[in-house]
Amino acid sequence: GESVGLHLPTLSVQEGDNSIINCAYSNSASDYFIWYKQESGKGPQFIIDIRSNMDKRQGQRVTVLLNKTVKHLSLQIAATQPGDSAVYFCAENISTGGSYIPTFGRGTSLIVHP
Amino acid sequence: EAQVTQNPRYLITVTGKKLTVTCSQNMNHEYMSWYRQDPGLGLRQIYYSMNVEVTDKGDVPEGYKVSRKEKRNFPLILESPSPNQTSLYFCASRPGQGAPGKNIQYFGAGTRLSVL
Repeated sequence: GESVGLHLPTLSVQEGDNSIINCAYSNSASDYFIWYKQESGKGPQFIIDIRSNMDKRQGQRVTVLLNKTVKHLSLQIAATQPGDSAVYFCAENISTGGSYIPTFGRGTSLIVHP
Repeated sequence: EAQVTQNPRYLITVTGKKLTVTCSQNMNHEYMSWYRQDPGLGLRQIYYSMNVEVTDKGDVPEGYKVSRKEKRNFPLILESPSPNQTSLYFCASRPGQGAPGKNIQYFGAGTRLSVL
């Protein structure tokens, strides 16, 4: 899950396994959530999003689950591949007076072993 | 190709020497922002701009300036860099309110800055 310390939490999995990355968000007013993937030496890249009126959304090999009761978000990656190795961030978004201010989690490092 | 371009990718400088990191996007996005990324702290927003000539402070604006004279460019200026500004910087853009995919940010590849 997301870290409160100085070091990124790390999830190590074997190729072909399913991965679950967790994120706890802080603001109950957040109405939109995004998962980003950041590969080494690159900027974050959009993976999947979900609105607060949904509790599940599926993409290609990825599923995001939202539990608003406990303010928890998870990213599930099916049949994890070495190319999935990266740092994954969740971002919570609050619409404020027409503007849009995202808050990013600290990230989780996913390591996929062949 | 739709992209956000930052320059330079790497920069080593000394305390007090003014520098500018450029950012340009070719997607006609209204919204642009700058982040810094530090170990264990994730992405923190420095400044953002909702349109030309409209800029506002993010979470960590101290020691930085920005300008938005044109829609495509959003330079980050460090007037007098200090060692605590050593970091990895990202520029991002997204469409404006009401546009498809309005909440999805597109990030540049990053600028690694070291201030000695």
